[in-house]
Amino acid sequence: RKEVEQDPGPFNVPEGATVAFNCTYSNSASQSFFWYRQDCRKEPKLLMSVYSSGNEDGRFTAQLNRASQYISLLIRDSKLSDSATYLCVVNGRSDSGGGADGLTFGKGTHLIIQP
Amino acid sequence: DADVTQTPRNRITKTGKRIMLECSQTKGHDRMYWYRQDPGLGLRLIYYSFDVKDINKGEISDGYSVSRQAQAKFSLSLESAIPNQTALYFCATSDERTGFEQYFGPGTRLTVT
Repeated sequence: RKEVEQDPGPFNVPEGATVAFNCTYSNSASQSFFWYRQDCRKEPKLLMSVYSSGNEDGRFTAQLNRASQYISLLIRDSKLSDSATYLCVVNGRSDSGGGADGLTFGKGTHLIIQP
Repeated sequence: DADVTQTPRNRITKTGKRIMLECSQTKGHDRMYWYRQDPGLGLRLIYYSFDVKDINKGEISDGYSVSRQAQAKFSLSLESAIPNQTALYFCATSDERTGFEQYFGPGTRLTVT
């Protein structure tokens, strides 16, 4: 099982619709979870952290299910400007030789909002 | 001004050439990272550094070396570039105070012909 797995999409969604992505992770010891947004040919930027109790930031809601080891991102009332690639990021690598903070990036889900 | 800067932003080089990518940050963060991004493969960690005297290999360090010249500067070198090192390279920083959030530079698009 890949460490962090996402459906690559693309998700083609009409403006104003609600869209949801899921992400699964393999390391049950993972402690921190994030969604990053990456626009085409640009750097990734933190969209929001994901907390155990779930959290909301405006039109965006993130949820964590530790038992099933998945994270979700819900976007309500989608805007054209939401078109981007959304990266699921998890800390706590399964191998001891992993990265500094153990951040593992998913390959991203590509979202296209259509007018 | 951007908090994390990378130079050059674009570079085309030939197989066998030595090339250095530079990263500077004004965030005062201790931790710095180099990643590469390839289509379909996502971000992969090359090297990381917790402070000036600390250098660690990441997932894909072969063919690369780094230097942490100062807290604010972290450079990545390709000693003898090869075509499969063609990729988008990102520098990132973080700090204990920010938790695990990483701040990325704008990227360097490197093409090895």
